[in-house]
Amino acid sequence: NAGVTQTPKFRILKIGQSMTLQCTQDMNHNYMYWYRQDPGMGLKLIYYSVGAGITDKGEVPNGYNVSRSTTEDFPLRLELAAPSQTSVYFCASIRGTGMNTEAFFGQGTRLTVV
Amino acid sequence: EDKVVQSPLSLVVHEGDTVTLNCSYEVTNFRSLLWYKQEKKAPTFLFMLTSSGIEKKSGRLSSILDKKELFSILNITATQTGDSAIYLCAYYGQNFVFGPGTRLSVLP
Repeated sequence: NAGVTQTPKFRILKIGQSMTLQCTQDMNHNYMYWYRQDPGMGLKLIYYSVGAGITDKGEVPNGYNVSRSTTEDFPLRLELAAPSQTSVYFCASIRGTGMNTEAFFGQGTRLTVV
Repeated sequence: EDKVVQSPLSLVVHEGDTVTLNCSYEVTNFRSLLWYKQEKKAPTFLFMLTSSGIEKKSGRLSSILDKKELFSILNITATQTGDSAIYLCAYYGQNFVFGPGTRLSVLP
């Protein structure tokens, strides 16, 4: 059982370049999330999805886009990379939507924009 | 706006000390409160709390939730250097929302 898989693990982008961070889960979870974590800080929600075809903005969505064409995949797109997007990005999915649930995390993507 | 506050933000102790980490929240549609430990990579799950007053324990770690006063604490007894990490509190309501974390450093 692979859980939540993120690729790539590391990436350096130049200002203005674009890229897609991939996130795949094989647990048939409906809810998926993208977070960013800046050095010494907690996780901030970028976008989330409650199921295939449904996405919504989180706390810090500017500069990002997402899509959810399948239950398994939730890619995060950066169209015009900026130095402020240098961060570690985590994808997470939730086992259930009731009271008893926990988030499963990918191993993170460390992105540097220069 | 939903909010999670953790204190202290940073803590330095010596091995063998006991620490208490605090998490308070203002949320709508509360479902559960979770604690995670983050070392170098992704957060790893510690506890999930849904009911007030019921302590959850795992080895030297324990946690409890007070839904009336909207806070939770995480206790670590007899700390070890391996406990050095960032401890994240998160609530699950409309979404998962994380606090800023407490950076714990345990010195030998």
